Amino acid sequence: DTEVTQTPKHLVMGMTNKKSLKCEQHMGHRAMYWYKQKAKKPPELMFVYSYEKLSINESVPSRFSPECPNSSLLNLHLHALQPEDSALYLCASSQEARGRKQFFGPGTRLTVL
Amino acid sequence: QKEVEQNSGPLSVPEGAIASLNCTYSDRGSQSFFWYRQYSGKSPELIMFIYSNGDKEDGRFTAQLNKASQYVSLLIRDSQPSDSATYLCAGDSGGSNYKLTFGKGTLLTVNP
Repeated sequence: DTEVTQTPKHLVMGMTNKKSLKCEQHMGHRAMYWYKQKAKKPPELMFVYSYEKLSINESVPSRFSPECPNSSLLNLHLHALQPEDSALYLCASSQEARGRKQFFGPGTRLTVL
Repeated sequence: QKEVEQNSGPLSVPEGAIASLNCTYSDRGSQSFFWYRQYSGKSPELIMFIYSNGDKEDGRFTAQLNKASQYVSLLIRDSQPSDSATYLCAGDSGGSNYKLTFGKGTLLTVNP
């Protein structure tokens, strides 16, 4: 089973709202990732968690706050976003780090008004 | 700056033809390469990966890696309209880095 799930599928929020994106995998993968993807662009890495610890933060603005409560769950907390943050937010997981196969979830389509 | 470059496309082939997608990379430390297929409005789906020089075949797909030339390709035989999608090439960064470097993607259209 190579399934990564994400909720919600779609999210519309105002610039003053606080919301969270959720990602879950039950493949026993120990690395989990958040990506942002704009239209007609490749995915852009935001954060990497390895063994539940933040391993990489690609200089993401603090209005995005990741959290890894356990090895199966990954959250992305959103606060005071800007309209330019509207994008497809993708979660991925891999069995280990070092470029192992990353499997993507279906994504959350985020619109910031 | 580590880069993965793909032929920009779009690439259009008739149904039943072979589609050839190409990718070059700049980081000689890259060990593993991945091909993702992404339908419009959907998330990337891993379809092939290759670690060793040479060819790797899976059904209608063949991935080719030439580390000396820093070149990766994906061949799709007997192309079907359902293969119409954007294909993303990605390479790892070697070492203990977790990052994948993605190319910009090639849009493939298979015409019935």
